[in-house]
Amino acid sequence: GAGVSQSPSNKVTEKGKDVELRCDPISGHTALYWYRQRLGQGLEFLIYFQGNSAPDKSGLPSDRFSAERTGESVSTLTIQRTQQEDSAVYLCASSPTPGTSGRAYTDTQYFGPGTRLTVL
Amino acid sequence: RKEVEQDPGPFNVPEGATVAFNCTYSNSASQSFFWYRQDCRKEPKLLMSVYSSGNEDGRFTAQLNRASQYISLLIRDSKLSDSATYLCVMTGRRALTFGSGTRLQVQP
Repeated sequence: GAGVSQSPSNKVTEKGKDVELRCDPISGHTALYWYRQRLGQGLEFLIYFQGNSAPDKSGLPSDRFSAERTGESVSTLTIQRTQQEDSAVYLCASSPTPGTSGRAYTDTQYFGPGTRLTVL
Repeated sequence: RKEVEQDPGPFNVPEGATVAFNCTYSNSASQSFFWYRQDCRKEPKLLMSVYSSGNEDGRFTAQLNRASQYISLLIRDSKLSDSATYLCVMTGRRALTFGSGTRLQVQP
């Protein structure tokens, strides 16, 4: 079946502009995650959505970052007034079930191909 | 101190070699551990979960040592196609916590 898709695949923008990144999770997956990966570095957690629960926004680096999710489908990550340090690959992942004990984690996350953001 | 520490490498090994990676972690509350593989400019993909009893999947063996807070990945008879970055991953305070990865380059 279809995997996680993200758009655009590449985005080049000027410093100060706003950008919107989109993620379409695997159908039926209740959990959706956004991560950021800077060049040569590991993944940095940004935000987590689980069903209709309040999202875990604890990883968002500043108030310029926000994300929305419509039900259990599409999510958008918005970065306002982009800065050069925002340049990175933004990865979205989804998973079918929440973790145990009410935690937000799950064993397997399926990643999209990412959006490569370059801020000039 | 980072939550997850990995040697970035690169590990350059000839085909057929056995190579091992270690990863140390600081959060003793972590419950689940994994190795993900990430090819250049691609998204990470789950390679295998890691259990205290150790688990094997073909040429790959993963081990968890909770007392010393490290996990390991052993690759036997390495292939050119094993060239990738191997990410040590665990449940943490926020979703999954990823290490920076260890780069493996298998050479002919």
